[in-house]
Amino acid sequence: GAGVSQSPSNKVTEKGKDVELRCDPISGHTALYWYRQSLGQGLEFLIYFQGNSAPDKSGLPSDRFSAERTGGSVSTLTIQRTQQEDSAVYLCAVGRAAYNEQFFGPGTRLTVL
Amino acid sequence: GDSVTQMEGPVTLSEEAFLTINCTYTATGYPSLFWYVQYPGEGLQLLLKATKADDKGSNKGFEATYRKETTSFHLEKGSVQVSDSAVYFCALGHRGSNYKLTFGKGTLLTVNP
Repeated sequence: GAGVSQSPSNKVTEKGKDVELRCDPISGHTALYWYRQSLGQGLEFLIYFQGNSAPDKSGLPSDRFSAERTGGSVSTLTIQRTQQEDSAVYLCAVGRAAYNEQFFGPGTRLTVL
Repeated sequence: GDSVTQMEGPVTLSEEAFLTINCTYTATGYPSLFWYVQYPGEGLQLLLKATKADDKGSNKGFEATYRKETTSFHLEKGSVQVSDSAVYFCALGHRGSNYKLTFGKGTLLTVNP
């Protein structure tokens, strides 16, 4: 997706390990979203950041998942004590407040063995 | 809560055939409606959108009309091409919920020459 990079592109980890996924958006997009795309559940919203407002964490599936956004730019999604059901593609998207178009990054494919 | 239902795939068509992918939704209020497309090996891209009843979104020969009376947003194209082969996702979002998207399961379209 134009203007959004994610790293790593692929991550293989062992069950029980922690992982960090990074989203690096271009400037000017104040809204940032994380979604998860998995075979069983399809595309699901995880968390939303907008400026300095408190994030909307309503989509996080468990307390093993957390995310932060530093300086209104880069965001990191952290999954602690990974489980096999966490295997999915994690997508980051950005947009501008008051606009309803989101630009998606290429995603990070997470595989938990 | 909100939900989006789209026709199960896969859909296989010959080049120049007419395409319809059905999408219906359940939501409170007046959501915006979207079609996103995921080409092989690429990230999600917005294909078209409509923000209020009777609006028609269009792009690249694809069209969809926001029908509030039938809670539908069916995707159509008069003559598909091999390059249209992709996964298509119907989605909705509310301005009051920061446009966090609720997606359908996706429909895989394959167009044969």
